[in-house]
Amino acid sequence: LAKTTQPISMDSYEGQEVNITCSHNNIATNDYITWYQQFPSQGPRFIIQGYKTKVTNEVASLFIPADRKSSTLSLPRVSLSDTAVYYCLVGDNPGTYKYIFGTGTRLKVLA
Amino acid sequence: GAVVSQHPSRVICKSGTSVKIECRSLDFQATTMFWYRQFPKQSLMLMATSNEGSKATYEQGVEKDKFLINHASLTLSTLTVTSAHPEDSSFYICSASGGRRELFFGEGSRLTVL
Repeated sequence: LAKTTQPISMDSYEGQEVNITCSHNNIATNDYITWYQQFPSQGPRFIIQGYKTKVTNEVASLFIPADRKSSTLSLPRVSLSDTAVYYCLVGDNPGTYKYIFGTGTRLKVLA
Repeated sequence: GAVVSQHPSRVICKSGTSVKIECRSLDFQATTMFWYRQFPKQSLMLMATSNEGSKATYEQGVEKDKFLINHASLTLSTLTVTSAHPEDSSFYICSASGGRRELFFGEGSRLTVL
């Protein structure tokens, strides 16, 4: 059973900010939250990772409230090329931890 | 960044034959690799955990005799689909971390069984 719950799909328009929220009510103390992006017929690609509060990199921001039971991926000013499936994963050591994928969120960016 | 590579990216085979898919970590050593399969419009499903030098650990419902996994070195894991049938047609993806906090995924291998 997946440890995470996300909206199945979202639509947005080019130039808008997109926020995708993930619920992980049973997150463990040692778990990190990681978001991946997947295009059709490709493997998932790392976007961002965080443990608490806010993390920002060149492509996205990740907001994590104090209770860590949810997280929000924020994509600023999306473009058509951001149309993809976005997965939220939680777990501790990725070297040995068996990550279970949830449904992911299918984002469609419209012109 | 670290790279995980799969080969072949696409393979078509006849029903009843076996197909081998390779997963390599190009710039790090991976004692553990993971194999997933993905059907169209669906999420990734974990099939098995590949352990270097030991037997793979399979998820419930995955036939270990059909999906043979060999992790012979710290940079190579192979998945062999034996006696393939059309229902085995899928997108197979491997992943590894090399001790870092980020999990790296291969490009995926699309298997089509005729």
